[in-house]
Amino acid sequence: DIQMTQSPSTLSASVGDRVTITCRASQSISSWLAWYQQKPGIAPKLLIYDASSLQSGVPSRFSGSGSGTEFTLTISSLQPDDFATYYCQQYQSYSYTFGQGTKLEIK
Amino acid sequence: QVQLQESGPGLVKPSETLSLTCSVSGSSISTYYWSWVRQPPGKGLEWIGYIYHSGITNYNPSLKSRVTISVDTSKSQFSLRLNSVTAADTAVYYCATQYCSGRNCDPTMFDYWGQGTLVTVSS
Repeated sequence: DIQMTQSPSTLSASVGDRVTITCRASQSISSWLAWYQQKPGIAPKLLIYDASSLQSGVPSRFSGSGSGTEFTLTISSLQPDDFATYYCQQYQSYSYTFGQGTKLEIK
Repeated sequence: QVQLQESGPGLVKPSETLSLTCSVSGSSISTYYWSWVRQPPGKGLEWIGYIYHSGITNYNPSLKSRVTISVDTSKSQFSLRLNSVTAADTAVYYCATQYCSGRNCDPTMFDYWGQGTLVTVSS
């Protein structure tokens, strides 16, 4: 299986901050990466696919970049609704794996 | 807009079989890959497997010996069976669609999700 490692595990930030979450793959996954947002008790929501394509309806303050083994999710100006847990997921292989998650907390 | 709804017992005894069904509306079952993902309480996401409308399946290697996913196109439903469960199988189980991409229609990201259902394994 391809292992996905996110950093940091927890991130404290304030409304208006620019934040970046990193996801590293144990082998090259080209651009076959998605990012999800999950709030407590709610199913994950797709934000970004193909590493940098914004899912329809997702605010433009979210952006993704990277290829190969290193990827980032950036939120340009944090809004109160953005405090949640974020997961990356690879679909390079037919055994789909997620990162362990990054919890974005209010500072 | 695809809508998914999980249903099934919320409590399963150890060594027994967990069975869940996902009802699909807003899309033909003959589109997408139909998947199951689970999340133990307080932990991350684990892909369980998928089925295509043709009946093609693919399972997580770590669960493959215990998992069966099936589809009933006439009812617009697909189902999960997980045998010989233990406490480690306690989780919220989500059904989800995996978007079909490219000329080969490869399964990719999970774009629609059900609300999830908590299944507890306990005697």
